[in-house]
Amino acid sequence: AQKITQTQPGMFVQEKEAVTLDCTYDTSDPSYGLFWYKQPSSGEMIFLIYQGSYDQQNATEGRYSLNFQKARKSANLVISASQLGDSAMYFCAMREEYTGNQFYFGTGTSLTVIP
Amino acid sequence: DSGVTQTPKHLITATGQRVTLRCSPRSGDLSVYWYQQSLDQGLQFLIQYYNGEERAKGNILERFSAQQFPDLHSELNLSSLELGDSALYFCASSSSGSNQPQHFGDGTRLSIL
Repeated sequence: AQKITQTQPGMFVQEKEAVTLDCTYDTSDPSYGLFWYKQPSSGEMIFLIYQGSYDQQNATEGRYSLNFQKARKSANLVISASQLGDSAMYFCAMREEYTGNQFYFGTGTSLTVIP
Repeated sequence: DSGVTQTPKHLITATGQRVTLRCSPRSGDLSVYWYQQSLDQGLQFLIQYYNGEERAKGNILERFSAQQFPDLHSELNLSSLELGDSALYFCASSSSGSNQPQHFGDGTRLSIL
């Protein structure tokens, strides 16, 4: 089974609108971390936000927030007030405490912000 | 700046050749990971090292090998290169703990002619 599933290959959003990028995960480890990365067309991988499995509150970092639904094993990224610079590839990733240092990445979602 | 340094940034070579990609992790990070990203593709995990020892292997071809040295820098060796090896190769490093993210270098863009 896939550890991380991103079912939206491509998404479009109007500038200044909010958008949600979906991510579901699969683990039996009670302790894990969930991460989102942004990859603009220039190629670099930028760490955006982290959510821990024991965190009671959803993580937020500026315009980024993570809608964490533990029972559903989902960790959706919400980008508010989209900007043209948000157009990029977005990857969801997970790290399990039990397996130590290995990371699992989804296949990514390509987001295009329309002016 | 992620603190992870990859060299070279670009590499152009021919089929059949051998190249070495180099990575210096963030200060204090013991884990180093290598990924391959072909055009418009996701990240393919190749291999992971922790404090000099191999910890996990992904879809790494036998023509590829890697190592992590005592000073924690890592090298990825690609030999008998084929056209399909053209890709962006990332190195990432992390500290231990499930709450620690990976920090990525800027990548080495390898073009096989």
